[in-house]
Amino acid sequence: DADVTQTPRNRITKTGKRIMLECSQTKGHDRMYWYRQDPGLGLRLIYYSFDVKDINKGEISDGYSVSRQAQAKFSLSLESAIPNQTALYFCATSSGGQETQYFGPGTRLLVL
Amino acid sequence: AQSVTQLGSHVSVSEGALVLLRCNYSSSVPPYLFWYVQYPNQGLQLLLKYTTGATLVKGINGFEAEFKKSETSFHLTKPSAHMSDAAEYFCAVSAYSSASKIIFGSGTRLSIRP
Repeated sequence: DADVTQTPRNRITKTGKRIMLECSQTKGHDRMYWYRQDPGLGLRLIYYSFDVKDINKGEISDGYSVSRQAQAKFSLSLESAIPNQTALYFCATSSGGQETQYFGPGTRLLVL
Repeated sequence: AQSVTQLGSHVSVSEGALVLLRCNYSSSVPPYLFWYVQYPNQGLQLLLKYTTGATLVKGINGFEAEFKKSETSFHLTKPSAHMSDAAEYFCAVSAYSSASKIIFGSGTRLSIRP
């Protein structure tokens, strides 16, 4: 079984809808991250969490919110989806800030 | 603050040729440096990383990278390209701090010609 899982893998939604992307990990890591990937822009950090009670904004948090329900679960929500949020979203975990990050398979989101 | 620049968004080499992917970083403190690879329809996975010590780092699949502080570079090389090396490669930097995050470059797509 994969160490970092993301659901759903693909999602099509309409402008204005609220959606949630979920991430679970079995690696026992404290730190979890949400990124979005756009062609030519690499990975940009949306939110990160160092533990259940510590949530931090990344470089592009506007329009997104997160919830760390447990050490192993970190969800990303789009409160009111807009077309420029169409992207590939990745969850990642690590045991420390400078340590290797382990990525989920990604969620491909299309906002119409 | 840290930043990463990857030179060339797309590199194409022939099978069996040398692979060279360029990465330059900026960091006000000693950096940790990473190369990640992303195969089609997959997440990123670590190829290699530099923390401290030996400046030539060997990774998986025959890749290696050399940390050159004077040039602020961490270029990725492989002596002989395989078709299976076709993927997107990301350079990343982090500071030596438990509170730091990893900053990714914009990526280089590597294509292999038969």
